Amino acid sequence: GNSVTQMEGPVTLSEEAFLTINCTYTATGYPSLFWYVQYPGEGLQLLLKATKADDKGSNKGFEATYRKETTSFHLEKGSVQVSDSAVYFCALSLNSGNTPLVFGKGTRLSVIA
Amino acid sequence: SAVISQKPSRDICQRGTSLTIQCQVDSQVTMMFWYRQQPGQSLTLIATANQGSEATYESGFVIDKFPISRPNLTFSTLTVSNMSPEDSSIYLCSVDVTGRYGYTFGSGTRLTVV
Repeated sequence: GNSVTQMEGPVTLSEEAFLTINCTYTATGYPSLFWYVQYPGEGLQLLLKATKADDKGSNKGFEATYRKETTSFHLEKGSVQVSDSAVYFCALSLNSGNTPLVFGKGTRLSVIA
Repeated sequence: SAVISQKPSRDICQRGTSLTIQCQVDSQVTMMFWYRQQPGQSLTLIATANQGSEATYESGFVIDKFPISRPNLTFSTLTVSNMSPEDSSIYLCSVDVTGRYGYTFGSGTRLTVV
């Protein structure tokens, strides 16, 4: 089946530290890949996405590159801020519009000043 | 991308009762997806609602417990029936109107069963 595996959290970093959250996937076909963020007490927001191999998604200083050879889509940010504290979800979709997103378990990030 | 209005935003319910959650989308869409997010957990798909046919449920979810209505291409309801404290979760609906991986989520319904 289709699945997403994320690194376990929580992750605690100091402000301005480098962030990596690992995400790998298993899929029957060629999925599109997503990172969603959920800030405390808020709904789910799309952070970035990539729809084909070697694509790089980027937004708000976050980046992730779709690596078909390693079936990975790791999230990175060069310098985190306290305001980045949230839960991050990696997800995949095989058929836009007709199939739902499949989510990883989520990684809680806490950034301390 | 679409705008989804989800109601209610939160509710506290007595065990044994039922709650109906509504999602209204500002565009016509074929598929609507219903998820559950238990406290501190990820999103788990409950069912996919296709207008004009019965919803398709994921393993572990049954129609008697989570009946879904999809009367037209812009609206759907999810009912949580005969509730117990284990049903306390956030329930969300989602659509992809664009067909280009533009998934949108409702703001969620935070349900507490006491």
